[in-house]
Amino acid sequence: DTEVTQTPKHLVMGMTNKKSLKCEQHMGHRAMYWYKQKAKKPPELMFVYSYEKLSINESVPSRFSPECPNSSLLNLHLHALQPEDSALYLCASSEDRENTGELFFGEGSRLTVL
Amino acid sequence: GEDVEQSLFLSVREGDSSVINCTYTDSSSTYLYWYKQEPGAGLQLLTYIFSNMDMKQDQRLTVLLNKKDKHLSLRIADTQTGDSAIYFCAESLSGNTPLVFGKGTRLSVIA
Repeated sequence: DTEVTQTPKHLVMGMTNKKSLKCEQHMGHRAMYWYKQKAKKPPELMFVYSYEKLSINESVPSRFSPECPNSSLLNLHLHALQPEDSALYLCASSEDRENTGELFFGEGSRLTVL
Repeated sequence: GEDVEQSLFLSVREGDSSVINCTYTDSSSTYLYWYKQEPGAGLQLLTYIFSNMDMKQDQRLTVLLNKKDKHLSLRIADTQTGDSAIYFCAESLSGNTPLVFGKGTRLSVIA
């Protein structure tokens, strides 16, 4: 299994809603990542988890809250988002933090904030 | 700081070769990558090259690295319509530093 699975594929939420994005991989990878991608732009790194511990937080606003319940799962909890947070949110994994370039990406969750 | 530049668009005819170019600023970059993103999908690692290499070939893909000019290119031989996508160049200073992506080159293949 060489897949990273993200759910939901599409999410529409209001600014007062609380929702979560989920990511799962069964490749035994120990590093997992959240990226944000706006239209016609490259992905921007948000968070990195290594061995289930948060190792990088790229100054992301607190309305985004990551969680890594175990080595296969990564969540991104969303609360009080703004319309400018509308984007494609990509999850990725790598064998470990020593292979940050060899990333396996999911298909993404397209988020629209109204 | 690190910066990666790419031209934004490339259009080629089916069966021709495509060459996508990338320049980077940090001469310390150790690893250089090419990712492909099809519409509505995530990124897929195509190939990568270490800074101690000049060339790497993998089936239809050839990567050339000119360290002196900090220039990386991806050549796709016999380009097919399925190659239409956005191609991102990315660099990493070491194996455990986050990738820096270029803005991406949109390749359109005309049948």
